[in-house]
Amino acid sequence: GAVVSQHPSWVICKSGTSVKIECRSLDFQATTMFWYRQFPKQSLMLMATSNEGSKATYEQGVEKDKFLINHASLTLSTLTVTSAHPEDSSFYICSASWAGGPHEQFFGPGTRLTVL
Amino acid sequence: AQSVAQPEDQVNVAEGNPLTVKCTYSVSGNPYLFWYVQYPNRGLQFLLKYITGDNLVKGSYGFEAEFNKSQTSFHLKKPSALVSDSALYFCAVRDGADKLIFGTGTRLQVFP
Repeated sequence: GAVVSQHPSWVICKSGTSVKIECRSLDFQATTMFWYRQFPKQSLMLMATSNEGSKATYEQGVEKDKFLINHASLTLSTLTVTSAHPEDSSFYICSASWAGGPHEQFFGPGTRLTVL
Repeated sequence: AQSVAQPEDQVNVAEGNPLTVKCTYSVSGNPYLFWYVQYPNRGLQFLLKYITGDNLVKGSYGFEAEFNKSQTSFHLKKPSALVSDSALYFCAVRDGADKLIFGTGTRLQVFP
């Protein structure tokens, strides 16, 4: 149980285009979803926290207008990287949890974004 | 502020030998501590957690961790390492806002 999927698993796009990444909880209702960014051989950096039906809360230094997060349902959150540039190339990972559930977060498999 | 430290970038161990991956924490109040493992180009898999209770926590794949309040440590251990245990290991602490704060990660290399 507690499976989280991400789509796509990898994406290559041209500079200036926008890319949408989906995060789905497959067998539970995720009241909270988290988006992380991971650079090669580095730890995970939390970008934002989203609660279903509410605006996402962004961490300091993360551009809200560049990384649009939507959590419109209890099973789906999306991260849209707008006007992507090569420096946005990274591994993006989502996780999910639910109110009253286990204390751990359940992670998706990640999405590798390469911006040319 | 909550934080965790993983002092070793890499740990090397021979297959069949015991392994330890170190983690120390700094929190206000009672810590919620976690270990996750990451294989190449994959997300994180949950191994185990300490919330309360017994200081020795058993988790997935034969891993265990010992919570030591006086030393503020939560080291990950396994009695007999496997080559397939080679991966990146992250220690994490949960803050008051339910966010996870991760350590820098430790790469475990198990040699045949």
